[in-house]
Amino acid sequence: GAVVSQHPSWVICKSGTSVKIECRSLDFQATTMFWYRQFPKQSLMLMATSNEGSKATYEQGVEKDKFLINHASLTLSTLTVTSAHPEDSSFYICSPQEETQYFGPGTRLLVL
Amino acid sequence: QKEVEQDPGPLSVPEGAIVSLNCTYSNSAFQYFMWYRQYSRKGPELLMYTYSSGNKEDGRFTAQVDKSSKYISLFIRDSQPSDSATYLCAMSRYSGNTPLVFGKGTRLSVIA
Repeated sequence: GAVVSQHPSWVICKSGTSVKIECRSLDFQATTMFWYRQFPKQSLMLMATSNEGSKATYEQGVEKDKFLINHASLTLSTLTVTSAHPEDSSFYICSPQEETQYFGPGTRLLVL
Repeated sequence: QKEVEQDPGPLSVPEGAIVSLNCTYSNSAFQYFMWYRQYSRKGPELLMYTYSSGNKEDGRFTAQVDKSSKYISLFIRDSQPSDSATYLCAMSRYSGNTPLVFGKGTRLSVIA
C-alpha cells in the first residue's frame, strides 16, 4: 500500500499560536491530498482537498482562513491551523487521492 | 439521517469468539466499501476492500456487502486480544479519486 507520513505525530500548543502539519507521500506522487479531522469518539470527517499548484477546496463549515493548506509539490501537502483554539484540538489525518484507501498515521493536536 | 450509521459500542467479547460488526448507509450510489482498524492515537489501517455486493474473505476476516439492504458487515473469527481496536466502516461512490465517508467506528475489546 501507499506510504504516507505525517509530522509531527502530536503537538501541544497554547491558544492563539499556529501549528503546521506536514503530510508526505513517500513512494508515489500525490497531485491531490484529502485532509480529514477526527474528534474524540467521532468518525473521520473530510475537511478539505489540497491540489498541487492550485487552491485547496474546503468542505462546508470549515474556515479556509483558519486552516491554510499548501500543496507545493507532488510529495508534500501542509495544513496550518492558524490562531489555534481549544476547539481545534483533534486528530488530523491526510490521505492521497490516488490511493484513497490509505491514510497517514495522523497528527494529534491539543490546544491549551 | 446520517449517510453512514455504525453502532459505536463498546463491544466486549471473550477470546476466540466470532465478532460481527455492521454499518448501514443511505446513499445507494456507494459502490466501494472498506473496513479499517484503528488503534488508539493511530491512523486507520485498511483491513478489507470490496466492490458492490458479495463476500470477501481474508484470513480471519470476512466482509459482506448487501447493497439491496444498504448493509455491510465485518466478521472476525477466532478473535484475539490484539484485535481490540476501533473498527471503522467507510464507503465511496468511485474507486480512488474521491474522499471516503466514514461511520463513527465501533470500539471492540477482546478479553483473554
